[in-house]
This record gives sequence, C-alpha cells and structure tokens, in this order.
Amino acid sequence: DAGVIQSPRHEVTEMGQEVTLRCKPISGHNSLFWYRQTMMRGLELLIYFNNNVPIDDSGMPEDRFSAKMPNASFSTLKIQPSEPRDSAVYFCASRTIGQGSYGYTFGSGTRLTVV
Amino acid sequence: AQSVSQHNHHVILSEAASLELGCNYSYGGTVNLFWYVQYPGQHLQLLLKYFSGDPLVKGIKGFEAEFIKSKFSFNLRKPSVQWSDTAEYFCAVNADYGQNFVFGPGTRLSVLP
Repeated sequence: DAGVIQSPRHEVTEMGQEVTLRCKPISGHNSLFWYRQTMMRGLELLIYFNNNVPIDDSGMPEDRFSAKMPNASFSTLKIQPSEPRDSAVYFCASRTIGQGSYGYTFGSGTRLTVV
Repeated sequence: AQSVSQHNHHVILSEAASLELGCNYSYGGTVNLFWYVQYPGQHLQLLLKYFSGDPLVKGIKGFEAEFIKSKFSFNLRKPSVQWSDTAEYFCAVNADYGQNFVFGPGTRLSVLP
C-alpha cells in the first residue's frame, strides 16, 4: 500500500494566489482529515470527512479555506486568496470509520510558503 | 473540551542521555493516548499507543510511555537516546473513541552527537 499520498510536497506561491493541496487516502479508508502544523499553534484539525461528507469544518480558519472530497479516493484543500500567515505544513490523514483509533495514517504533508 | 499539554518546547540532550518528555491531558472520561514522532522533513509516524491494560507501553525504537491515570499523564521515555532520535514528538489524545485527535504542541528533541 502506498499510504496516504499528498501533492505537491512543497508549494511556494505569492500572496493573493489560489493554492490547491491534494490528498489521496488509503484505499478502503472512508474517513479523511486535513491538519495544519505551524510552529506557533502546533497541529490543528481543519476539517474531516466521513464517506466523502464534511462532518466538522469548525477548524477551518476562515472563508478563504475550502475543502472538497468529490469521491472516496481524492480530496482537495483550497486557499483563495492565500496570505503569508497561511504558510505551514498541511497534513492529510485517513482511517476507517468504526475502528476507533486504529489505522490512522498520515501523509507526508505539503509545505506551503506564501510570500 | 479536551486539551493536551507538553512540558517542554525544546529539549537538548547528548547521546546516551536518558529522555523523558512530559504529556498531560485534560479529560475525565476514557482516553486513548498516543505518541507520534516527526523526523526532519518527514511525516508523522506512530511511536506507541495506549488503549487499556498495562499502563507501561513499549513502542518502536526503544521508546516507552507510562499512563498514570491519577496524574492525567502519559510521559514518553527512552533510557539512552541516539543522534537519530532528533525529531519533533507529539502527544495526542483520542477521547471515548471520538472521531478526531487532540494533539499537544509538540516537543523538539535535539540530540547532540
């Protein structure tokens, strides 16, 4: 199994530009999570989906952030317009609902730098 | 609401020194506890986890952690660190089999050769 796949690994963009981060969860997993990691705030949950449906997006910082999961094998996190304070590492994780805390796997993350 | 605190922001040790990283959580119910490690430039990996049973949990790479329920703590230990243990360590709590995890702020460990 290739694990949770995120792309790109690194993204550098100018302030005001749209940024799209991508995630492919582990095949068979039906719960997907987007996290953001910064030095100041640590690891924060942004949003999670069960069976492609957004369940809790209370961690999304503001309307500039949006996430979609059009099918079971793909999710995007979009920032439009991007700002320097969005610079962080964004992690995607997936697992199977009903297994409690088992099988929770993180991707390698996307390091976003907004200049 | 659940919260997780980690005692140290940055720990610097020499090789062969003993390590203990503190983790405390606030939640009165049943918890599952985890330690994750993030090596430089890599993704988070699970070091060890506690669900129930023996409160002393052994994980990979010689790490262990002890769950002390009365102290709401789950400290991570290693008797003798190596340079390759240089990484950031995150404590996490999952309460009552809830959907998501609450992570601590992380502790950066630097091991000097």
